[in-house]
Amino acid sequence: EAEVAQSPRYKITEKSQAVAFWCDPISGHATLYWYRQILGQGPELLVQFQDESVVDDSQLPKDRFSAERLKGVDSTLKIQPAELGDSAMYLCASSVDRGSEAFFGQGTRLTVV
Amino acid sequence: QKEVEQNSGPLSVPEGAIASLNCTYSDRGSQSFFWYRQYSGKSPELIMFIYSNGDKEDGRFTAQLNKASQYVSLLIRDSQPSDSATYLCAVNKDRGSTLGRLYFGRGTQLTVWP
Repeated sequence: EAEVAQSPRYKITEKSQAVAFWCDPISGHATLYWYRQILGQGPELLVQFQDESVVDDSQLPKDRFSAERLKGVDSTLKIQPAELGDSAMYLCASSVDRGSEAFFGQGTRLTVV
Repeated sequence: QKEVEQNSGPLSVPEGAIASLNCTYSDRGSQSFFWYRQYSGKSPELIMFIYSNGDKEDGRFTAQLNKASQYVSLLIRDSQPSDSATYLCAVNKDRGSTLGRLYFGRGTQLTVWP
């Protein structure tokens, strides 16, 4: 069964350090999402790609967060510098196209100390 | 006002009972509605989606949508302890720059006791 792959599964980093997460969507899925989920809350969208283009990054803290999907397949989300408040689960999801049902990867649990 | 509201629970039902999970949304223009199940420490797993008013059944799960009341619900029949999880309601506005963005509720924690 096709899955969204994410790595690493867990990451502990010191504040002010840089951290990066990787996501490989389900093959053929044009739309890729990065969500952040703080404990006890629902996921919130950080950035949405359609192929290699960003179509929605209105909630991305651009002073420290960046995301890219250079070839329209896998994607990287970076935080630099990390802050204590960035501790959360970072979820990648993909869908065939915008508006279709989205499937999530296992997520990366980030702890900033 | 939040885009999607859910009763955070916890909701506790005995094994074999019907669990009813509710969700309301604020934007009348919302078009697509999803229910995700999330076990503790895991990622959300899609279990149902519904686009049209009425009921949609899939095994023990039934999603109900009432666009006039801006209300979505999920019924779980013959609840099992393995259904114990947090259930997230998500809404997609399906238009303009927000097309594809899912707005999630906080989730309802369900416990099914044997």
